[in-house]
Amino acid sequence: DAGITQSPRYKITETGRQVTLMCHQTWSHSYMFWYRQDLGHGLRLIYYSAAADITDKGEVPDGYVVSRSKTENFPLTLESATRSQTSVYFCASPDRDTGELFFGEGSRLTVL
Amino acid sequence: KNQVEQSPQSLIILEGKNCTLQCNYTVSPFSNLRWYKQDTGRGPVSLTIMTFSENTKSNGRYTATLDADTKQSSLHITASQLSDSASYICVVSVYGNNRLAFGKGNQVVVIP
Repeated sequence: DAGITQSPRYKITETGRQVTLMCHQTWSHSYMFWYRQDLGHGLRLIYYSAAADITDKGEVPDGYVVSRSKTENFPLTLESATRSQTSVYFCASPDRDTGELFFGEGSRLTVL
Repeated sequence: KNQVEQSPQSLIILEGKNCTLQCNYTVSPFSNLRWYKQDTGRGPVSLTIMTFSENTKSNGRYTATLDADTKQSSLHITASQLSDSASYICVVSVYGNNRLAFGKGNQVVVIP
């Protein structure tokens, strides 16, 4: 079934390590987004991509890097993880006709 | 700054009862307003989406209303079920730039 898949679903790492969260969509949608969700905050936009090889910063981009070499994949990399990056990360992509935003199941990251 | 405020922050209701969740926003220019349901440990799933000209929209036992003049929306849950226990997130789309403003969510707990 078509959709958005994220991996890993759960990850524990240590401060200073590099971590990559993967996001894959099967619709060939143009736009893809990365959000983080923390208690006391709404979903906050980290980075987004309008198409392959086009990415832009969101509200909270510091400490993160993204790439979009293929339309279907949008990985998020924490180059040197910090405890403040402990969060649940959601990848999302909107339907081009309705604008409805579809989310992945999330990746729960813990940085020790 | 585009903001979305939701109330109450959390709510406990008895199974079978109705409840109403509120969303006030300051987003401008307005494009559309969406309500999402997020079960614990899952990604948000769309319930309704309303444009400027729509006052009400239903999805089963969920009915959303929109007053674009006062910038208020509500989500009414009729005859609540245990499966309605979730966080309900109000999301407002900014016209013209694909940006979304997220509320922090209404946490609903339905008890038998």
